[in-house]
Amino acid sequence: DAGVIQSPRHEVTEMGQEVTLRCKPISGHNSLFWYRQTMMRGLELLIYFNNNVPIDDSGMPEDRFSAKMPNASFSTLKIQPSEPRDSAVYFCASSDTNRGMEQYFGPGTRLTVT
Amino acid sequence: EDQVTQSPEALRLQEGESSSLNCSYTVSGLRGLFWYRQDPGKGPEFLFTLYSAGEEKEKERLKATLTKKESFLHITAPKPEDSATYLCAVTGGSARQLTFGSGTQLTVLP
Repeated sequence: DAGVIQSPRHEVTEMGQEVTLRCKPISGHNSLFWYRQTMMRGLELLIYFNNNVPIDDSGMPEDRFSAKMPNASFSTLKIQPSEPRDSAVYFCASSDTNRGMEQYFGPGTRLTVT
Repeated sequence: EDQVTQSPEALRLQEGESSSLNCSYTVSGLRGLFWYRQDPGKGPEFLFTLYSAGEEKEKERLKATLTKKESFLHITAPKPEDSATYLCAVTGGSARQLTFGSGTQLTVLP
């Protein structure tokens, strides 16, 4: 079975540019989560969706960050404009909360903003 | 607010030297405690879910246990391939999101 798919795997961009990260959750899962991981702050939840609806975006650092889930098989996390402090690894995870609370993570996107 | 504290931050073991990792938690109405393994450059890999005090789960050389305040991940006769960062997370109440600890970086030397 295919796991969570993220693209791109690596992104290098200049400060001020728009960055879009993409995620395809596991088929049949009803919840999707976006995380950011850094050495200093560990794994932080940014936003999560249930049945394609954003439920909690309190972890989104500021208005430069936005996320969408237009359908059950696709989500995007957008940063506009990007800043060097946004450099981190961004993970997408999905779960089937009708069967359990465990989340399954994608391979991540390593973002570097210069 | 849910809180998870993992110790030690780093642990070096010789191959075959058994040990335990600790995860202390504070959560209102625990619904699940989760253990993940993360290898460098990869996403966290789900290992176990524990739901109530007294519960135990095993997988190969790993055994997870749960009390009302903490969980332990016991590693029996570890091998170098067990080297990774082990993350603990909890969820409670009506929440669907997980709160993660900062992890224990385990290194097993041959």
